[in-house]
Amino acid sequence: EAGVAQSPRYKIIEKRQSVAFWCNPISGHATLYWYQQILGQGPKLLIQFQNNGVVDDSQLPKDRFSAERLKGVDSTLKIQPAKLEDSAVYLCASRSAGGREKLFFGSGTQLSVL
Amino acid sequence: DQQVKQNSPSLSVQEGRISILNCDYTNSMFDYFLWYKKYPAEGPTFLISISSIKDKNEDGRFTVFLNKSAKHLSLHIVPSQPGDSAVYFCAASRRTGANSKLTFGKGITLSVRP
Repeated sequence: EAGVAQSPRYKIIEKRQSVAFWCNPISGHATLYWYQQILGQGPKLLIQFQNNGVVDDSQLPKDRFSAERLKGVDSTLKIQPAKLEDSAVYLCASRSAGGREKLFFGSGTQLSVL
Repeated sequence: DQQVKQNSPSLSVQEGRISILNCDYTNSMFDYFLWYKKYPAEGPTFLISISSIKDKNEDGRFTVFLNKSAKHLSLHIVPSQPGDSAVYFCAASRRTGANSKLTFGKGITLSVRP
């Protein structure tokens, strides 16, 4: 079974630039999550999708972050414009319908904002 | 306000001995708890979970204990192996309607010495 795919693995940008991350979940997983993990902290939920609908985006900084999941499969997360404090690992995860909180994570995208 | 606390940032144990990783939570609405393991440059992987209706769950060398009155859970690894060296995240979940939300602690870095 293929895992959660994310790209790119690393990204370095300057502040005020824009950046986009891509995620392809495990086939058949209807629930998709984007997490932000700042160094030394645990993952923090940014947004949760159920199919192509948003379930929870209460912690997403909507003035600069946006996410979409067209057709209920893969997803993109965008930051525009980036700030220094956005430097973090962005993790995508997916879950099957019956697996409560048993999330499968991708390897993440390491973002450095200079 | 950190609802899931892992107060010890690191733990070092000798190979073959027991590793005990602790986690405390503040929200009494949490009803499901999980441990995730993370190697460098990889996403977290699910390790073991426990429902609030139980006080112990065992899976091979890994056992999770839950003390609801103390709002405390612990992960025991016996015997510890060098390959167990990783960051361990405690996570807690609560139902919100038809949805559920997962909150992570900051993680504990476990080092198992050969």
